[in-house]
Amino acid sequence: QVQLQQWGAGLLRPSETLSLTCAVHGGSFSGYNWNWIRQAPGKGLEWIGEINHSGNTNYSPSLKSRVTISVDTSKSQFSLNLTSVTAADTAVYYCARRRWFRASNWIAPWGQGTLVTVSS
Amino acid sequence: QSVLTQPPSVSGTPGQRVTISCSGGSFNIGSNTVNWYQHLPGTAPKLLIHSNDLRPSGVPDRISGSKSGTSASLAISGLQSEDEADYYCAVWDDNLNGPVFGGGTKLTVL
Repeated sequence: QVQLQQWGAGLLRPSETLSLTCAVHGGSFSGYNWNWIRQAPGKGLEWIGEINHSGNTNYSPSLKSRVTISVDTSKSQFSLNLTSVTAADTAVYYCARRRWFRASNWIAPWGQGTLVTVSS
Repeated sequence: QSVLTQPPSVSGTPGQRVTISCSGGSFNIGSNTVNWYQHLPGTAPKLLIHSNDLRPSGVPDRISGSKSGTSASLAISGLQSEDEADYYCAVWDDNLNGPVFGGGTKLTVL
């Protein structure tokens, strides 16, 4: 059973860089896309971006200028960096696995979530 | 404003059947398969339905999904108090080149 464990700083000041890491336990790291998704307070889910085991990335256009997702296959980990954060970046951040199968794809499992608060 | 439109809330009594709708467009639901997630506060979202109507192992058969054109639905029959949660539809969007989510529907079991 694949499990995702994530960690990172939970309180940031405006203009700082958000950094989170997600470790994949109990399953293959290759053959999937590894995603970051967030949910701001009272809002819906927002996709941030993804990476595969080869390091190929795909980012949401709305965040692309500030986002970097990287991978460390030796540790089965992937990380999110989001620069120049503002209060609008306050959210629960989730890491998750996306799987493709034939013409379908879906996201599961998800990490436990990390609340990141941006405040001066 | 979410790309996919869901009702903010639905409710039902124990044992009833409820449905949650998800409306999109030709570049998302019209072109790709739909997934549904259950989300309880403070927990990780749980996949309920993938590929429009397929249940992962462990999801009871009283939960079902369907898709027609640019809309999809999640149905929960034999409603139980444990079903009280937020539900999200999600689908790949060809314009975004990434997944998009509905705004979420809060299910209340009266």
